[in-house]
Amino acid sequence: SQQGEEDPQALSIQEGENATMNCSYKTSINNLQWYRQNSGRGLVHLILIRSNEREKHSGRLRVTLDTSKKSSSLLITASRAADTASYFCATDRLDDYKLSFGAGTTVTVRA
Amino acid sequence: DTEVTQTPKHLVMGMTNKKSLKCEQHMGHRAMYWYKQKAKKPPELMFVYSYEKLSINESVPSRFSPECPNSSLLNLHLHALQPEDSALYLCASSQVGSTGGYQPQHFGDGTRLSIL
Repeated sequence: SQQGEEDPQALSIQEGENATMNCSYKTSINNLQWYRQNSGRGLVHLILIRSNEREKHSGRLRVTLDTSKKSSSLLITASRAADTASYFCATDRLDDYKLSFGAGTTVTVRA
Repeated sequence: DTEVTQTPKHLVMGMTNKKSLKCEQHMGHRAMYWYKQKAKKPPELMFVYSYEKLSINESVPSRFSPECPNSSLLNLHLHALQPEDSALYLCASSQVGSTGGYQPQHFGDGTRLSIL
């Protein structure tokens, strides 16, 4: 089931620029994750942030989580053409196998 | 290359056919999932298996029949599908957390299914 919303729906940036996308959700969560999906491929797990964490980094990725606002953001720094993909946030709850995905943000990085 | 292997990559079938989708993982994961994804939409959960037992069925029509013959394999049997069932079918696997909850999921590249 789809719990969250993401904005923007689509983002077009120049190579080297930063890309920021936001995710909002409705119910309390255990973890929030971000996935990337290249065209015609499966989803790739990027980063997981737990509900008691506020910020996490992985390479060129920075994720923030604000549980009081039920929102998260994903920042991709120094974007590359290979970052062109759809990005989904997904939340889960304790003792629950289900992932609730946001609607996704389509990112296009222009060379 | 993904660690979850799905076959076939593409499948075209008529509404009266019977076919199966296959998913295989060798990461020792004990939770496996089937998702349906329409174009430009997020994946929708269909089924979850935990320790080879069906634990979640998201009210999926009976024309979709999952099977988990062992801890590495997951099948989805298809029969009498409708044109609206055309979609990308994704398989995923994960470890099972100590509280029975979720661990990051690893996805295959999916089977692109077209119903004529």
